[in-house]
Amino acid sequence: GENVEQHPSTLSVQEGDSAVIKCTYSDSASNYFPWYKQELGKRPQLIIDIRSNVGEKKDQRIAVTLNKTAKHFSLHITETQPEDSAVYFCAASQRGGADGLTFGKGTHLIIQP
Amino acid sequence: DTGVSQDPRHKITKRGQNVTFRCDPISEHNRLYWYRQTLGQGPEFLTYFQNEAQLEKSRLLSDRFSAERPKGSFSTLEIQRTEQGDSAMYLCASPLTAGGTGELFFGEGSRLTVL
Repeated sequence: GENVEQHPSTLSVQEGDSAVIKCTYSDSASNYFPWYKQELGKRPQLIIDIRSNVGEKKDQRIAVTLNKTAKHFSLHITETQPEDSAVYFCAASQRGGADGLTFGKGTHLIIQP
Repeated sequence: DTGVSQDPRHKITKRGQNVTFRCDPISEHNRLYWYRQTLGQGPEFLTYFQNEAQLEKSRLLSDRFSAERPKGSFSTLEIQRTEQGDSAMYLCASPLTAGGTGELFFGEGSRLTVL
């Protein structure tokens, strides 16, 4: 089955700086890669996703890049703000959507004031 | 209500007892997913329904676990003879679109503590 590795497990950045979280996946058939944000005590919520037919997608301060050859995708957050503090999970699926999602173990992003 | 509702939100039980969780998914969305999340981990897939049919079960779902969706609407997840290792957050989710592609909308979860 699919295996998703996520790094780092904890990331601390100064407010206003950029943050990058990286994930690798094992199954070359994976074609859908979402990122979820989970605040303390809350449910995971989708913040951005990318499909295998594109290399990059951007939504305001958030962007995701995908390297299919290397089986690697990354989340980039620019101009970080205190409300960005949360745990971020990457995931991968071979079925193009909600089915068969395998999640990484998460990155705890801490925004230092 | 357009969200996913789960009940109870918290459950504390003694080892060996049975517990049942309920999920009310997004109305008229025929897919429903159960995930488990332990502390410091990402959600792990347990099982998935298409209407009332349970189409897929993870190897994490031992024979002490059973899930049902009798009328294709709400779902229940029962854990029999609970063990301390069952302590986790149990998350239910619906695809945000009726077609099932893309975003999973998670409920707030049912947190189980087994003493």
